[in-house]
Amino acid sequence: GENVEQHPSTLSVQEGDSAVIKCTYSDSASNYFPWYKQELGKRPQLIIDIRSNVGEKKDQRIAVTLNKTAKHFSLHITETQPEDSAVYFCAASGMNTGFQKLVFGTGTRLLVSP
Amino acid sequence: EAQVTQNPRYLITVTGKKLTVTCSQNMNHEYMSWYRQDPGLGLRQIYYSMNVEVTDKGDVPEGYKVSRKEKRNFPLILESPSPNQTSLYFCATRSGRSTDTQYFGPGTRLTVL
Repeated sequence: GENVEQHPSTLSVQEGDSAVIKCTYSDSASNYFPWYKQELGKRPQLIIDIRSNVGEKKDQRIAVTLNKTAKHFSLHITETQPEDSAVYFCAASGMNTGFQKLVFGTGTRLLVSP
Repeated sequence: EAQVTQNPRYLITVTGKKLTVTCSQNMNHEYMSWYRQDPGLGLRQIYYSMNVEVTDKGDVPEGYKVSRKEKRNFPLILESPSPNQTSLYFCATRSGRSTDTQYFGPGTRLTVL
């Protein structure tokens, strides 16, 4: 089945710096790649997603890029702010399960210091 | 207001005592799913359901049961809980299309002693 690897597991940046989180997936037929943000004690919430017919998508300070050939996708956060501190999860939806489930990465804890 | 609710939010129980965690949604979503979240392991799917009376195993189904008798409800049943089922559990829903947004419930923190 689908396998998603996420790096790094922790990331510390200074406020205003950029942060990049990378994920790789195994199923070349996967076509949907969402990113979730989970603040401490809260539920995961979708922040951005990308589909396989698009190489890049941007929403204000966050962007996601997808390289289907290399089977990896990345989350980019620019001009980081302390409120960006959270755990971020990538996920992929694979053909092996008829696209019926999301497989998540293990998460990246982002800490933005003022 | 679109909602996914879970009950209870917190539960401490003992080994072997059957329990049920309820999940309910008011968005008329076909797809519902249960995940467990453990440190360093991310979110792992336990069971999912494509519609009423249609359920299937996720990645870690052992020790759990589910049922989907109504579209809005998808309870998670632990027939004989064990300490290794201590975890944070999330219910999630989305519409029938696999590329639609998945919404998570608030979570249930379960401790099995």
